[in-house]
Amino acid sequence: SQQGEEDPQALSIQEGENATMNCSYKTSINNLQWYRQNSGRGLVHLILIRSNEREKHSGRLRVTLDTSKKSSSLLITASRAADTASYFCATAPTGNQFYFGTGTSLTVIP
Amino acid sequence: DVKVTQSSRYLVKRTGEKVFLECVQDMDHENMFWYRQDPGLGLRLIYFSYDVKMKEKGDIPEGYSVSREKKERFSLILESASTNQTSMYLCASSFGGARGETQYFGPGTRLLVL
Repeated sequence: SQQGEEDPQALSIQEGENATMNCSYKTSINNLQWYRQNSGRGLVHLILIRSNEREKHSGRLRVTLDTSKKSSSLLITASRAADTASYFCATAPTGNQFYFGTGTSLTVIP
Repeated sequence: DVKVTQSSRYLVKRTGEKVFLECVQDMDHENMFWYRQDPGLGLRLIYFSYDVKMKEKGDIPEGYSVSREKKERFSLILESASTNQTSMYLCASSFGGARGETQYFGPGTRLLVL
């Protein structure tokens, strides 16, 4: 069963702008993670936020988590053309089995 | 750096063929996973393994089997390939237990079944 669902499905912005994508999930979680996938490649882990955290930063990435709404957002500030990729949220309700969403496809136009 | 490698980047097979997809990780991870990725459906878990010779079904195990004879290697087997198994296959690994919060992915194998 699919846990996470990203929104929007696709996003196109100009270089230098901020990109925000959202993730909604269905059940309680231990943590939520965001991954990035360049076209035709495997996924790369970006950032993890635990269920008792509300916000986390890593470089140009900012992740928020609202467990009451079962939602998370990923903000990429000052986007670059190299940020063009698909972004997935993943939740781990229990153990080490993850559930991935369908992803947001981000295009950053130079 | 964690390295997860997959035996092929691209594979073309005929319907009915037996197909082996190999995955090797070099970080002594306990957990290994096989996903398939299809447009609009995201990543779906086929099988995973928590230890050598252990396997658990994921969400879509039908038509697949797996083998984990050594800790570093996890094989996905399509017993009789069908056209609806044309997909991108991704292998991942992670530590077990509380250390298994991050999965590390291979580059993927794009399989075309004719």
